[in-house]
Amino acid sequence: ETGVTQTPRHLVMGMTNKKSLKCEQHLGHNAMYWYKQSAKKPLELMFVYSLEERVENNSVPSRFSPECPNSSHLFLHLHTLQPEDSALYLCASSQDGAGANVLTFGAGSRLTVL
Amino acid sequence: GQNIDQPTEMTATEGAIVQINCTYQTSGFNGLFWYQQHAGEAPTFLSYNVLDGLEEKGRFSSFLSRSKGYSYLLLKELQMKDSASYLCAVMDSNYQLIWGAGTKLIIKP
Repeated sequence: ETGVTQTPRHLVMGMTNKKSLKCEQHLGHNAMYWYKQSAKKPLELMFVYSLEERVENNSVPSRFSPECPNSSHLFLHLHTLQPEDSALYLCASSQDGAGANVLTFGAGSRLTVL
Repeated sequence: GQNIDQPTEMTATEGAIVQINCTYQTSGFNGLFWYQQHAGEAPTFLSYNVLDGLEEKGRFSSFLSRSKGYSYLLLKELQMKDSASYLCAVMDSNYQLIWGAGTKLIIKP
């Protein structure tokens, strides 16, 4: 596998469920990101990990909990979500300190909260 | 506040040329990016401009004017596969990416 892989691609959950999104990058990058993409809105940065340490948490509700066990893997744990959390969740990676800091994205996990 | 503006939707004809504009107001500037995103797929990097002028890459070109806070993406010889959303993003003085809402480009035969 190459690039950034996200699973599952689609997820439907109730407001009381607990689920996790998984992201894996095979590019040797040292930074990983979670973004939320809602229709006709700009990408919203949720979390950034650089060298496996969280460096940004943009006031994201605590019902979203990230985990970065190593430089290749990133998780987003979900619990007691709200219907407004329904969106496409994109994972990305980049090589910090490498000039333009181009992001490589995964195809996303489409989340529907009922 | 920081803001990126780009048209919500544009329509163009196969074989033609289209220009997608992006204007920005940010706290500082450390480069402007364009990404392409086909429906249901990952955004992919198209171009990066940090100095004024035109960068050409095959059928795609990107232009930047820092004094005007303005960029455009020019797509030539349009093909059906160019139907996608095009995302403009600016890196501010804190190296944070500020994103536009994207422009959905529809190509008609």
